[in-house]
Amino acid sequence: GDSVTQMEGPVTLSEEAFLTINCTYTATGYPSLFWYVQYPGEGLQLLLKATKADDKGSNKGFEATYRKETTSFHLEKGSVQVSDSAVYFCGHSGSARQLTFGSGTQLTVLP
Amino acid sequence: NAGVTQTPKFRVLKTGQSMTLLCAQDMNHEYMYWYRQDPGMGLRLIHYSVGEGTTAKGEVPDGYNVSRLKKQNFLLGLESAAPSQTSVYFCASSQDRGRDTEAFFGQGTRLTVV
Repeated sequence: GDSVTQMEGPVTLSEEAFLTINCTYTATGYPSLFWYVQYPGEGLQLLLKATKADDKGSNKGFEATYRKETTSFHLEKGSVQVSDSAVYFCGHSGSARQLTFGSGTQLTVLP
Repeated sequence: NAGVTQTPKFRVLKTGQSMTLLCAQDMNHEYMYWYRQDPGMGLRLIHYSVGEGTTAKGEVPDGYNVSRLKKQNFLLGLESAAPSQTSVYFCASSQDRGRDTEAFFGQGTRLTVV
């Protein structure tokens, strides 16, 4: 069935470090792919998305490229800030009218 | 613009008690979802609705019931709460299931069953 596998956390980085959070998926057909972010005490917010192969989603310095051949959608940021500390969820719109999410990756950025 | 509003934000129940969580959206979205979030498990879909008067089971529906009598509201009921239902519950809505679907989430309801 449809699933999303994320890199396990927690991830702790120093400010200005490079960030990669891995995400791979299984799905029927060609789903759209998403990254959502959850700040402490809040609901999830869409961070970026890509709707077809080779598309790059980007927002707030974060990027992710839809790689159909490797079924991946890894999240990257060149220089993280303390304010980026949050939980990050990879997800896709699968084949069954459902949005499927990974288990989330907790990111902590230290000053 | 309120978006997706969940009521209540916090609740403590005793085992066996019942309660209803309310989700309201003001974006005229067709699709609505209830998820639960547990440590290490991420988000798991409980039930969802693709339009007024419709409901469908998600990944973990047991112990929950839902109703969508009005397009803007999606109710999640626990008839006899169990400690295993201690979790954070999120409601979400979306307009379309096409390639540009984006889900909008409420701020969550933290439920503790003792």
